[in-house]
Amino acid sequence: AQSVAQPEDQVNVAEGNPLTVKCTYSVSGNPYLFWYVQYPNRGLQFLLKYITGDNLVKGSYGFEAEFNKSQTSFHLKKPSALVSDSALYFCAVRDLLSGSARQLTFGSGTQLTVLP
Amino acid sequence: DTGVSQNPRHKITKRGQNVTFRCDPISEHNRLYWYRQTLGQGPEFLTYFQNEAQLEKSRLLSDRFSAERPKGSFSTLEIQRTEQGDSAMYLCASSKDRAGNSPLHFGNGTRLTVT
Repeated sequence: AQSVAQPEDQVNVAEGNPLTVKCTYSVSGNPYLFWYVQYPNRGLQFLLKYITGDNLVKGSYGFEAEFNKSQTSFHLKKPSALVSDSALYFCAVRDLLSGSARQLTFGSGTQLTVLP
Repeated sequence: DTGVSQNPRHKITKRGQNVTFRCDPISEHNRLYWYRQTLGQGPEFLTYFQNEAQLEKSRLLSDRFSAERPKGSFSTLEIQRTEQGDSAMYLCASSKDRAGNSPLHFGNGTRLTVT
């Protein structure tokens, strides 16, 4: 079975500082990994994905994430946080070897607050 | 690309009533997903369609829940005899990928409150 863990419910960072939102995963085979962002009363918006290739992937709004197979992690990062980055962030995984290969499994989310 | 559209945005119903939600995916997207999200949690998979065929259903989807996608375009999710535990945000998403590496495009959801 595939699963995702986001160990921090809340991350606070000062504007202009780097931010990291953590994600670890568990799959049977090779993972497809995704990050989504959710603003209040809205659906999820896609930020970036890792499928294969370069372990550092770049996405929307200056975000990037690093795939680390040995640590089974896919942490979301941004060099300089903006107040407008404050939102709920979800990591998700799809395991093509599992019986549920068609579905994305989401973590429980991390609330990011960027303080001015 | 007009995005995934969900209606209604909000629904308040009394326990025991039936409700139906509609999802219009992005045109040309052949895959359609329903997820449920409760406060403080990530979305939980409910069911998935490829064109008009419902290919996968979660164990979360009790027999009070039924989903259809009759012509492979829009989809409906019906909940019969609603319970207070059904209160949640119901999210619809679509994609057109066969290889599994395309992201899902989500609608803004239907928030259900069962009183």
